[in-house]
Amino acid sequence: GAVVSQHPSRVICKSGTSVKIECRSLDFQATTMFWYRQFPKQSLMLMATSNEGSKATYEQGVEKDKFLINHASLTLSTLTVTSAHPEDSSFYICSASTTPFYNEQFFGPGTRLTVL
Amino acid sequence: GQNIDQPTEMTATEGAIVQINCTYQTSGFNGLFWYQQHAGEAPTFLSYNVLDGLEEKGRFSSFLSRSKGYSYLLLKELQMKDSASYLCAVTSTDSWGKLQFGAGTQVVVTP
Repeated sequence: GAVVSQHPSRVICKSGTSVKIECRSLDFQATTMFWYRQFPKQSLMLMATSNEGSKATYEQGVEKDKFLINHASLTLSTLTVTSAHPEDSSFYICSASTTPFYNEQFFGPGTRLTVL
Repeated sequence: GQNIDQPTEMTATEGAIVQINCTYQTSGFNGLFWYQQHAGEAPTFLSYNVLDGLEEKGRFSSFLSRSKGYSYLLLKELQMKDSASYLCAVTSTDSWGKLQFGAGTQVVVTP
C-alpha cells in the first residue's frame, strides 16, 4: 500500500516552454501533497505544500507564479513549471500524506527535468 | 527554524557496521525520520523515532535522544547495495507535517 506515482519520469524541454508534472496517490487518499526539488549532490528542498481543494503554501524563495501547483482531487496534484529555463533543470519529487497532521510521507519516484 | 547536521560522507567495508549521526535544533519537535536514497531515485523510508530509545529493524537501527537533539542510524552487516545517501529529516508541531531534511550522508561500501 501507500504507492505514489509521478509522470513523466523524465522530460526534456526547450527554454521558455511550460512543463506539467503529475503526482498521484494510487491506493490511498492524500489530503496533503508536498513538492520537493533536488539539485545534484544536494538534499531535498521543500518547494510547497498543497492541501486538496485549497491553494498551495509556498516556501520562502519559491515563486508561486512560476511553479503552479494544483491539488484538485484527493489523489492528484500537479506541478507546472512555467516558462522553464536551464536553471530550473532539477529532480522534482512529490510526496503524499494521509492527513495534514500525520508525519509519514510517501514519496513518488521523481521526475528529472532538463531544460535546454 | 531547524538546523540539521549530518556528516557528508562515510566509507566502510562490506560486512562492517557504520553509524551515521544526526543532530538537530528545532522547536516543537515531533519526530525524526531516516530515509535511504540511491542516486537518481526517490527516498525510501527506513525509520521513524519520536520517543527516546533504540528502534531495531533488521540490519538497520535508529536511536533518538530528544534531550540532546541527537539521532543515529546504525547499519550492520553492510552490503554493497547499501551504498547510498542517507537522509535525516525532522518534523515539528510548528510545521504541519512538513519534513526538514539534512544534507544527507553518502555511504560508500567497499569490497
